[in-house]
Amino acid sequence: EAGVAQSPRYKIIEKRQSVAFWCNPISGHATLYWYQQILGQGPKLLIQFQNNGVVDDSQLPKDRFSAERLKGVDSTLKIQPAKLEDSAVYLCASSLDVRGYGYTFGSGTRLTVV
Amino acid sequence: GQNIDQPTEMTATEGAIVQINCTYQTSGFNGLFWYQQHAGEAPTFLSYNVLDGLEEKGRFSSFLSRSKGYSYLLLKELQMKDSASYLCAVRDHQAGTALIFGKGTTLSVSS
Repeated sequence: EAGVAQSPRYKIIEKRQSVAFWCNPISGHATLYWYQQILGQGPKLLIQFQNNGVVDDSQLPKDRFSAERLKGVDSTLKIQPAKLEDSAVYLCASSLDVRGYGYTFGSGTRLTVV
Repeated sequence: GQNIDQPTEMTATEGAIVQINCTYQTSGFNGLFWYQQHAGEAPTFLSYNVLDGLEEKGRFSSFLSRSKGYSYLLLKELQMKDSASYLCAVRDHQAGTALIFGKGTTLSVSS
């Protein structure tokens, strides 16, 4: 089975610019998660979708971050405008159902804000 | 809220055994996970414990004590390729299915 696909793999932008990341979960996985992993730390949950609805976005900085999952499959995460502290790896994960079975991560997008 | 603690760094030699500890505090414990993450790569699943006791899978074992809020990951017959970050994560009823991660333990294996 194909894994969780993410693009781009790397992105360098200047502060105050905008950036978007894309995630395609494993086929049939209803739940999708976006995590932010700052260098030297564990992943931190930003937002969780169940199909195309938001389950938890309590840690998403909504003044600059937005995410959507149209049609309950692919998802995009956007940052506008970016700050230096947004430099991190953005990981997408998906799981089969509400119980979290088959939790699998994508390879991530490494964002550098200069 | 949740709190997960694990050592920042550990070192060991090839062929040795290493134990990575994890303590956690969570109000609605619903499972503990260990992930391995090589530099620049995605975390990959190692083990899952929801009941007390030891789960063994090849060279890797994971232990859980729910009453103590404690888990450890045991790696036997260490190999150079085991050099990686090891992430302890818990699932909490209040957080649904999302995993809450610790900061990770960087293990360096030397020859």
